[in-house]
Amino acid sequence: QVHLQESGPGLLKPSQTLSLSCTVSGGSIDSGDYNWNWIRQHPQKGLEWVGYIHHSGSTHYNPSLAGRVIISRDTSKNQISLTLSSVTAADTAVYYCASSPGFMIFQPFDHWGQGTLVTVSA
Amino acid sequence: ERLMTQSPATLSVSPGESATLSCRADQSISTNLAWYQQKPGQAPRLLIFGAFTRATGIPARFSGSGFGTEFTLSISSLQSEDFAVYYCQQYNNWPQTFGQGTRVEI
Repeated sequence: QVHLQESGPGLLKPSQTLSLSCTVSGGSIDSGDYNWNWIRQHPQKGLEWVGYIHHSGSTHYNPSLAGRVIISRDTSKNQISLTLSSVTAADTAVYYCASSPGFMIFQPFDHWGQGTLVTVSA
Repeated sequence: ERLMTQSPATLSVSPGESATLSCRADQSISTNLAWYQQKPGQAPRLLIFGAFTRATGIPARFSGSGFGTEFTLSISSLQSEDFAVYYCQQYNNWPQTFGQGTRVEI
């Protein structure tokens, strides 16, 4: 059973860069069993898919965040990372790391981390 | 992007009763639809994928149906632990999108 744990700073100022990590246990991030996603949830609101990294390392992002988001991986640490630049208050949200089955690109999110709250405030 | 619309926004149900939640896609997504349950302070949990297949460990009282643009999540004999917010999600196209959620309350 794969387990995901997000970590990162909880408070940022506008224009700063958000950096979050997702540490995966119970499986290797490049094994092919899973692909990896970031999803966020604004306070008291719905869910928004942020982006995806395939177990091969290729990425795909939500166009609404185009140019600001990068998802990367560190196979030596078995971690997935999210970088979001030029943050504003609209980026305040709980950020989740989630896996999806690796055999196809389009798959549901079957395992989730507990989420980490990021607040952007001056 | 695919717009997913859930109805109703809130559903008031008594324990032991059944609930039917709807999700509509603005264009066909075949059966590439999932349902999630979210309780306060918790991450969403996958209930249904492929429109009608229950995820591992999900009780049989949860069932999904639909194809194309119209989908339904049915919960029979609601238990106290079923009161939560339910989201549908399409994974047919980039970007993957969620409905706005249906709150099932007592």
